[in-house]
Amino acid sequence: KQEVTQIPAALSVPEGENLVLNCSFTDSAIYNLQWFRQDPGKGLTSLLLIQSSQREQTSGRLNASLDKSSGRSTLYIAASQPGDSATYLCAVRGVMDSNYQLIWGAGTKLIIKP
Amino acid sequence: DTGVSQNPRHKITKRGQNVTFRCDPISEHNRLYWYRQTLGQGPEFLTYFQNEAQLEKSRLLSDRFSAERPKGSFSTLEIQRTEQGDSAMYLCASSPGTSGGTLAKNIQYFGAGTRLSVL
Repeated sequence: KQEVTQIPAALSVPEGENLVLNCSFTDSAIYNLQWFRQDPGKGLTSLLLIQSSQREQTSGRLNASLDKSSGRSTLYIAASQPGDSATYLCAVRGVMDSNYQLIWGAGTKLIIKP
Repeated sequence: DTGVSQNPRHKITKRGQNVTFRCDPISEHNRLYWYRQTLGQGPEFLTYFQNEAQLEKSRLLSDRFSAERPKGSFSTLEIQRTEQGDSAMYLCASSPGTSGGTLAKNIQYFGAGTRLSVL
């Protein structure tokens, strides 16, 4: 059974710093991995999707990497801003999982201090 | 089209009552998903539709839960005889499915959710 873990559960850094969020998964047979952002009272916003054949994806100040063999993904945020404060979740779609079901980590709550 | 819409945003009910939530996906999306999220946890998959067909149902979805998507557009999630353990955020998502490129058709777009509190 696929399990997704995100460590740390919470992270607080000063504005302007670069930071890395971690996601690990137990079964490397995945179809893709997604990073999402969740703001209080709002839904989830997809940030980046990496197919299993890819190593990384970039969008603006965000860069997500995928090492399928070691079961790890990282989300790199450059030059952090207070507006980046949110909970970041990763989710995997496994090859053996039925029909597009995503398996989620519990998230990392990120606070960027002005 | 402004995205996935869920109603109501909040629902407070007494134990034993029935509740129904509605999800309106992005209009051209043929895949629709329901998830449940409790505080401090990631979402848990409940069920998935492709057009009007319910193709997958999690074991988390007990007999008290039922979901429909009668015309392949909006969907409803009903919980009968609610229990305190049903208190959670219920999230709906949609994805393009068969249209769009490989990456685009797999991205799930989420609504803001319906927060259920069972007293």
